Amino acid sequence: KNQVEQSPQSLIILEGKNCTLQCNYTVSPFSNLRWYKQDTGRGPVSLTIMTFSENTKSNGRYTATLDADTKQSSLHITASQLSDSASYICVVSPPMEYGNKLVFGAGTILRVKS
Amino acid sequence: NAGVTQTPKFQVLKTGQSMTLQCAQDMNHEYMSWYRQDPGMGLRLIHYSVGAGITDQGEVPNGYNVSRSTTEDFPLRLLSAAPSQTSVYFCASSYEGQENEKLFFGSGTQLSVL
Repeated sequence: KNQVEQSPQSLIILEGKNCTLQCNYTVSPFSNLRWYKQDTGRGPVSLTIMTFSENTKSNGRYTATLDADTKQSSLHITASQLSDSASYICVVSPPMEYGNKLVFGAGTILRVKS
Repeated sequence: NAGVTQTPKFQVLKTGQSMTLQCAQDMNHEYMSWYRQDPGMGLRLIHYSVGAGITDQGEVPNGYNVSRSTTEDFPLRLLSAAPSQTSVYFCASSYEGQENEKLFFGSGTQLSVL
């Protein structure tokens, strides 16, 4: 069964610090891997989309990496801000089955405190 | 630009009642979909549509109906609400539903069935 596992489940860090969130998946083959940010009470918002051939993708202070050989991805947040407090969701898409086969992880809840 | 708009934001139903969750997008997207989000689980696809007049089932379609009479609107109907349908519901859309397109989410409807 296609699965996406995220770790840790939750994380608390001090403002200004860096952190890394992990995503392991069993979806194979896959077309792309996405990271979304979901603020409390809001819908997910896309941070990055990486195809299977990409190793890294950045969006401001967010950098996603992908190792297709080990089926692992990470999201690194640099110089965290209070506004980074949210749930971060990893999503893997099998090829040519967009929408009807996206596999969502349960998310990592990040809290940034001052 | 409003993006994806969902109404209502919150809803409480009694078991057996029916209701419709509304979703509208103003981005001229062909692809629209409904997900439910439950604690500790990834988002799960309920139904999706690749264009007006075309709908299909996702992973968890039982107890829900959809229709797509216009490009803009994609309502989700609960036929006879059950406590197991207590969840947060998200509508999402993308341009054509192709592999690497960004998926845009609404802000969600929190539904409680008593």
